[in-house]
Amino acid sequence: QVQLVQSGPEVKKPGASVKVSCKASGYPFTRYGINWVRQAPGQGLEWMGWISADNDNTNYAPKFQGRVTMTTDTSTTTAYMELRSLRSDDTAIYYCARDPIAGMHLWLDPWGQGTLVTVSS
Amino acid sequence: DIVMTQSPDSLAVSLGERATINCKSSQSVLYRSNNKNYLAWFQQKPRQPPKLLIYWASTRESGVPDRFSGNGSGTDFTLTISSLQAEDVAVYFCQQYYTAFSLTFGGGTKVNIK
Repeated sequence: QVQLVQSGPEVKKPGASVKVSCKASGYPFTRYGINWVRQAPGQGLEWMGWISADNDNTNYAPKFQGRVTMTTDTSTTTAYMELRSLRSDDTAIYYCARDPIAGMHLWLDPWGQGTLVTVSS
Repeated sequence: DIVMTQSPDSLAVSLGERATINCKSSQSVLYRSNNKNYLAWFQQKPRQPPKLLIYWASTRESGVPDRFSGNGSGTDFTLTISSLQAEDVAVYFCQQYYTAFSLTFGGGTKVNIK
């Protein structure tokens, strides 16, 4: 079955960077884009951006442009999201979520289990 | 960005009763060329990722119980749970995908048992 398995929790100091991984299985990796969404404690969902697993084209939300980099490794069917210059308000659960249909960027399904990133001095 | 506004923020419903959640978009998410509303609904239980319930505003995802239904068009949408079960306690989010690379979500509605 289709599965997205993310890396474990991270604790970072302000100003540092974090790189979260998302290991995909159960489908042809390069045919579907991967999105990243975050959720601050007790808050709603915020879309951060998208990457094509076929050609590494990216689209980032303006809020994160310049501070985020999304990449993929087709040899390991893994997507990565790196966020730099971390601040306390970056403390959140970070999710990867796949496009639902090959080649089409619509709703998000399925989702990874989430990775808690805590930014604290 | 299209702003998605959900109401109420929370509601408490008796078991077996109907729960209705509203979602309003700041602009229409109806794509005229295919007459489809670019709106999805998700359920999120504590310590779990969101789970897709409905897409195209009213199409139920495979495996989702038929007590969940979505309606609406343009800017106003509803998610209805026709007969609330204990396992439906969760937060529910709407999401628009009309603007493909600027996805936005509603703030969420928490459903509890009265």
